[in-house]
Amino acid sequence: QSALTQPASVSGSPGQSITISCTGTSSDIGGYDYVSWYQHYPGKAPKLMIYEVKNRPSGVSNRFSGSKSGNTASLTISGLQAEDEADYYCRSNRGTNTWVFGGGTKLTVL
Amino acid sequence: QVQLVQSGSELKKPGASVNVSCKASGYTFTSHALNWVRQAPGQGLELMGWINTYTGTPTYAQGVTGRFVFSLDTSVSTAYLQISSLKADDTAVYYCARGTAATGYGLDVWGQGTTVTVSS
Repeated sequence: QSALTQPASVSGSPGQSITISCTGTSSDIGGYDYVSWYQHYPGKAPKLMIYEVKNRPSGVSNRFSGSKSGNTASLTISGLQAEDEADYYCRSNRGTNTWVFGGGTKLTVL
Repeated sequence: QVQLVQSGSELKKPGASVNVSCKASGYTFTSHALNWVRQAPGQGLELMGWINTYTGTPTYAQGVTGRFVFSLDTSVSTAYLQISSLKADDTAVYYCARGTAATGYGLDVWGQGTTVTVSS
């Protein structure tokens, strides 16, 4: 099954804001609010950063925020820091018992 | 604390089988689905499926063949991923991850990953 579409890479300077998009269809992102985002450092376990489109788990910095418009979800990181440099993945429900990840976005902090 | 601890790295020859374990602690094992996710070298995260830890019912993602089997031993709060007839392109890091209804089934706890290398 096809993955959700994310840009391969984004970059920003410290202190700036960046947004990572995650585009799907009305059968996944557009149809459900079960969109989550994960931060993944190479060699480490991924970490849940956003769930149900815009909610932050306890302990996640409020510099991370999520939103959705139509078939596209977005993760915004404000006040970019060097430690934010990682891979980011979106995930969405795609109907009963079906879930899918995005292809991943490499964030570079310049 | 809540954690998932996976078994160690494996080096296998093509055609062999491997069993990856994922032991849960710090929460009621049967209250949360257990997902399996893999990352092949240079690739992104791929959801392989999950298992309902209460009923033991597995759900496999589209494209995941019968060579992959999810199972449980609830007496020791452990989930297993068995891969048979290993191929070189099964080489990947395999993660288990807990799915939680309270977070919209977001994967809120992850194992540390198990590297499976298939090479002759």
